[in-house]
Amino acid sequence: AQTVTQSQPEMSVQEAETVTLSCTYDTSENNYYLFWYKQPPSRQMILVIRQEAYKQQNATENRFSVNFQKAAKSFSLKISDSQLGDTAMYFCACCGGSNYKLTFGKGTLLTVNP
Amino acid sequence: ETGVTQTPRHLVMGMTNKKSLKCEQHLGHNAMYWYKQSAKKPLELMFVYSLEERVENNSVPSRFSPECPNSSHLFLHLHTLQPEDSALYLCASSQDLGVNEQFFGPGTRLTVL
Repeated sequence: AQTVTQSQPEMSVQEAETVTLSCTYDTSENNYYLFWYKQPPSRQMILVIRQEAYKQQNATENRFSVNFQKAAKSFSLKISDSQLGDTAMYFCACCGGSNYKLTFGKGTLLTVNP
Repeated sequence: ETGVTQTPRHLVMGMTNKKSLKCEQHLGHNAMYWYKQSAKKPLELMFVYSLEERVENNSVPSRFSPECPNSSHLFLHLHTLQPEDSALYLCASSQDLGVNEQFFGPGTRLTVL
C-alpha cells in the first residue's frame, strides 16, 4: 500500500521569505512519481512540481524546488521569495508507475503574510 | 473552454433527491477520475475510467453511480445520499493511466441536508 504523510497541518511565512513543506511517503513501486499540488482558497487544484523517482536531480520550477531523498522517502517542497498568491493548501502526492493510483497527503495550509 | 470543467459548482440536496454531477475535459485525455475531498482528510479516490471503461471502484457505496459516455465526459449520479456525503467532489483527467500527472476541475461543493 502507498502512504503519504504531511506532518505540518498549517504553516505561515512572511512575504519574500523562504518556507519548506515536508512530505514523507512509502511505496513498493520501483519506478514512480511524486507531485506537489496547490489548491488556493475556492480555486482549482493545480500542479506545482513533479519529480520522477529515477532522476537524482531535484526538480525546480521558478521559485519552487524540491528536496528529494529517495532512500529516506522524503519529498519536501521549498518555496523561495514567498508571495501572497502562494497562500493555499499544498498536497503531496505519490506514486504511479505500474500502479496508476495517486495517493495524496492530508495537506498543509500555507499562509503568506504581508 | 479549456482544461477540466465541472457543473454545478454548488449543490444542496435532500436525502431523498436524485441529482447528477457533470465533468468535462477538453484536453484529449483518456483517463478520468472522481475524488471526494473532505475537510482534514486526504483526497479519496472513488472511481477511475480509462477509455470509457471503469477500472476502479474504490469500495464506494452504491448510492454513488458513475457514468462515462465518452472519453470527454464523466458523470456522478447521486441518490439517497447521507449528510456525511457532504464534501467537495473533484473530477480529474490524465493523458492515460500510468501517466500520472492529473489535471483537476474546480469541484462541486455538495451539501446533503
